[in-house]
Amino acid sequence: RKEVEQDPGPFNVPEGATVAFNCTYSNSASQSFFWYRQDCRKEPKLLMSVYSSGNEDGRFTAQLNRASQYISLLIRDSKLSDSATYLCVVSPGGSYIPTFGRGTSLIVHP
Amino acid sequence: GAVVSQHPSRVICKSGTSVKIECRSLDFQATTMFWYRQFPKQSLMLMATSNEGSKATYEQGVEKDKFLINHASLTLSTLTVTSAHPEDSSFYICSAPPEANVLTFGAGSRLTVL
Repeated sequence: RKEVEQDPGPFNVPEGATVAFNCTYSNSASQSFFWYRQDCRKEPKLLMSVYSSGNEDGRFTAQLNRASQYISLLIRDSKLSDSATYLCVVSPGGSYIPTFGRGTSLIVHP
Repeated sequence: GAVVSQHPSRVICKSGTSVKIECRSLDFQATTMFWYRQFPKQSLMLMATSNEGSKATYEQGVEKDKFLINHASLTLSTLTVTSAHPEDSSFYICSAPPEANVLTFGAGSRLTVL
């Protein structure tokens, strides 16, 4: 089983739609969780950290479920500019080195 | 915000030659930097962890003699791909943590080996 798993998609949604991605992780000792966004042929950029209590940043909501070992990202009112690959990143406890998921591709169309 | 500068952004070289990629932290010191490789439609794969003043730590399956890493100062790490082959063609990205548990990435270097 891979350490961090994501559905590669693509998720093809119309503007204004709500879309959710899940990411599962295998290491129960993982301590830090993030969502990064990567545009085509560009470097990843931090979208948001994921906190135990869940957190929201504008149209984006991230949640963590430690019992089931997954994190989620919800995007409301999708914009064309949200089209990108969303990478789930998990950092194990005691070690800083993060592990990246394969990424989920989102395509928002008019 | 924290900036990591990486260059060259794109390089094309002949098979058998060596290519050096530089990664600099511009406004913070980085005792650790990470080097990743990404093939098309694949995830970022950690190649090695670069440690200032000591040897790099390589991930399993990454040849240390082929991918030379030097981290001579708190703001500079270099990756040299030696005797490059077409299968080394990939997107190489460095990153550094300006603060705990957050990574800032360089813009990446796209290597094409002919």
